Amino acid sequence: QKEVEQNSGPLSVPEGAIASLNCTYSDRGSQSFFWYRQYSGKSPELIMSIYSNGDKEDGRFTAQLNKASQYVSLLIRDSQPSDSATYLCAVMDTGRRALTFGSGTRLQVQP
Amino acid sequence: AAGVIQSPRHLIKEKRETATLKCYPIPRHDTVYWYQQGPGQDPQFLISFYEKMQSDKGSIPDRFSAQQFSDYHSELNMSSLELGDSALYFCASSYDGLAGLSGYRTQYFGPGTRLTVL
Repeated sequence: QKEVEQNSGPLSVPEGAIASLNCTYSDRGSQSFFWYRQYSGKSPELIMSIYSNGDKEDGRFTAQLNKASQYVSLLIRDSQPSDSATYLCAVMDTGRRALTFGSGTRLQVQP
Repeated sequence: AAGVIQSPRHLIKEKRETATLKCYPIPRHDTVYWYQQGPGQDPQFLISFYEKMQSDKGSIPDRFSAQQFSDYHSELNMSSLELGDSALYFCASSYDGLAGLSGYRTQYFGPGTRLTVL
């Protein structure tokens, strides 16, 4: 079982809608969580980082963390066609300088 | 703002050849990470360096080696290349400072090097 799990999608939403992406992780000791956006053939681009339980908002993006349930989510409000990409959930390995990535969720925003 | 620089951006090699990938971290960042991303796969952690010392190793083949130099740039050396080494190779950097392993460091990725082994 992969240590960081995501639905592969594609997740298809209409323009202007809210896109909800979910991620679960297995290491209870994990403290740092990240969402990266990756366009095909490009490098991962940091969208959000979150370290504490609860919500963290940045513009159209809201990250949610629940350590007790071991899940982290990303909400994208007012989705735009330019948001169409693969969203990677990443977890910092406990006690290591390394990220473990989920397989990514492909988001398609329909104009 | 300055970003992570990687060179070359594209590299084509034959089987059994060697390749060297270079990474220049964001100024004042003290930690460098290397990741490999095969077609349709998520990035896989290879190796990391903190303050010019190896920090952690992931799924890095024995044919690969890496180091971080006094100016904090890093090089990934790949020998006896195989077809399966064809992938995107990303370097990322972060500033750890005094945070140590419990710190909340954020990794910023470079544009990557696309390696094709023929």
